[in-house]
Amino acid sequence: DAKTTQPNSMESNEEEPVHLPCNHSTISGTDYIHWYRQLPSQGPEYVIHGLTSNVNNRMASLAIAEDRKSSTLILHRATLRDAAVYYCVVGDSNYQLIWGAGTKLIIKP
Amino acid sequence: SAVISQKPSRDICQRGTSLTIQCQVDSQVTMMFWYRQQPGQSLTLIATANQGSEATYESGFVIDKFPISRPNLTFSTLTVSNMSPEDSSIYLCSVLGGPGTDTQYFGPGTRLTVL
Repeated sequence: DAKTTQPNSMESNEEEPVHLPCNHSTISGTDYIHWYRQLPSQGPEYVIHGLTSNVNNRMASLAIAEDRKSSTLILHRATLRDAAVYYCVVGDSNYQLIWGAGTKLIIKP
Repeated sequence: SAVISQKPSRDICQRGTSLTIQCQVDSQVTMMFWYRQQPGQSLTLIATANQGSEATYESGFVIDKFPISRPNLTFSTLTVSNMSPEDSSIYLCSVLGGPGTDTQYFGPGTRLTVL
């Protein structure tokens, strides 16, 4: 199974962009890359996912390396409400998600 | 995306007892998943529950300890049996987002403390 590696924590200033990195060097060619976030005392919330091309939605952008061994979640303008644990997750062919340890994002006002 | 609710939201239980957690979805879904999240940790998949078939358990999880029911396409239960303090965790259910996707949507979780 593919494994993901993320930094333990990151800090950013409010209203600045945030780039959250993830390594998934053992990913298979058909495995999707997902990002979820989890606020305290809540279930994980879907953020974005992609396969090969970069993806944008109203919450974030996902930049996927050409070799697919890494990806970056981009929050274009962080707010205090974006403080959460962000999980980089790889989906396998059996619809199962392989969860990394997550990055705790701290937003400084 | 599906709206998922779980009951109870939290509970404190005595060791040796059992707790059944309910998961209700506002639409019919094929696949449902049960996860455990130990304090300060990431999510670990317990089992996949499809309607009309036995749940499929991941390594380290057994049916006797975590029996699962899936009586219809909108509901599932997970029972944590013969509990010990090591079972203190958040238990989460999730559903597959739809055909052709492996995106999952999660319930709010059940926070279980075993004394």
